This record gives sequence, structure tokens and C-alpha cells, in this order.
Amino acid sequence: GAVVSQHPSRVICKSGTSVKIECRSLDFQATTMFWYRQFPKQSLMLMATSNEGSKATYEQGVEKDKFLINHASLTLSTLTVTSAHPEDSSFYICSATKAITDTQYFGPGTRLTVL
Amino acid sequence: KQEVTQIPAALSVPEGENLVLNCSFTDSAIYNLQWFRQDPGKGLTSLLLIQSSQREQTSGRLNASLDKSSGRSTLYIAASQPGDSATYLCAVRNEGQNFVFGPGTRLSVLP
Repeated sequence: GAVVSQHPSRVICKSGTSVKIECRSLDFQATTMFWYRQFPKQSLMLMATSNEGSKATYEQGVEKDKFLINHASLTLSTLTVTSAHPEDSSFYICSATKAITDTQYFGPGTRLTVL
Repeated sequence: KQEVTQIPAALSVPEGENLVLNCSFTDSAIYNLQWFRQDPGKGLTSLLLIQSSQREQTSGRLNASLDKSSGRSTLYIAASQPGDSATYLCAVRNEGQNFVFGPGTRLSVLP
């Protein structure tokens, strides 16, 4: 149990386009989802915390208008990278938890490449 | 299939003690290994990142080692403090770029 999926696993897009990444909890209801980003040879960094039905909480330095997060249901959160640029190329990973104090279950990640 | 285990599952120590957390992985073909800290209700905080070509990394009171051939990593915490209480996760990044996380070690440092 406690499986989290991400789609797509890889995406390549042109500069200026928007890309949507989905994070799904397959066998449990996730009250909270987290989005992380990792640049090459750097550690994983938390971008935002998303609670179902409310606005996401962004970490310092993460532009909320650039990285739109929607957590409309208990099994789905989406991250939309708007007007993507090459510097947004990164590995994005989500995690989900049944309750705010519970274990986080991680998705496999999405590799975004912006040309 | 890569599997990551962590020992112990939970640890309780008095303040000031040095301690070691262990992480084992089954497939040595890793890209890197990371140690994270997880506080209740919060996202992961990255502690140390070790590339596959490195043997150790240090940050303040933390030192992480990597022995790829034996599939092991350790996280050494010196002079533990109550603020160190959290769950510590290790994660390996495979060559295929996906993450595999260990189950974590829940650490309690008692004042």
C-alpha cells in the first residue's frame, strides 16, 4: 500500500510553454502533498506544501505564480510550471501523506527539460 | 530492484551523546545517496548529499559516509541535542534517476 505515482516521468518542452505534472496517491487519501525540486548534483529541495482544498504554502524563494499547485482532491495534486525556461529544467518529485504528522510516501519523480 | 533499509527503526538517546544511523541498499549502481531530516508535519530537509564517487560529506555536527561496494551509508551525529529529534531518511538515486527511500529512523534526543 501507500503508492504515489507521478505523470509524466519525463517531459521535454520548448521555452515559454507551460507544463503540468500530476501526483497521485493510488491507494490512500492524501490530506497533504509536498513538491520538491532537485537540480543536477544538488540536493532535493522542498518547494511547497499543499493541503487538499486550500492554497499551497511555498518555501522562501519559490515563485507561486511560476509554480502553480492545485490540490483539488484527496488523491491528486498538480504542479504547473508556467512559461517554462531552461533554468526550470530539473527533477521534480512529490510526496503524499495521509495526515500531516504521518509518513510521507514519495513519487518516482518527473524529469523536466526545457529547451 | 533497489531496496533500502535503515537501522535502527527508532533510537532514543540522552543529550550530548554521539550516535550513528545506518542505511543499507541492495544495488550498488547508485547515482548518489542523500540523507534527509523529516520533522512532523513538514517536508524533507536535505542534510547531506554524497555522490557515488565520494566517500563522505560533512556539515557541522553531521558526517555521512558511503561505501558503495558494501551497499552501506552511515550518518554520524556528534554531540546530539534535543533539536535533533526527528525522523532521518536516507534515499538512493539510481542510475535511472528514480528515488528509493529507506523507511527512516525516528530519533529522540532527551534533555
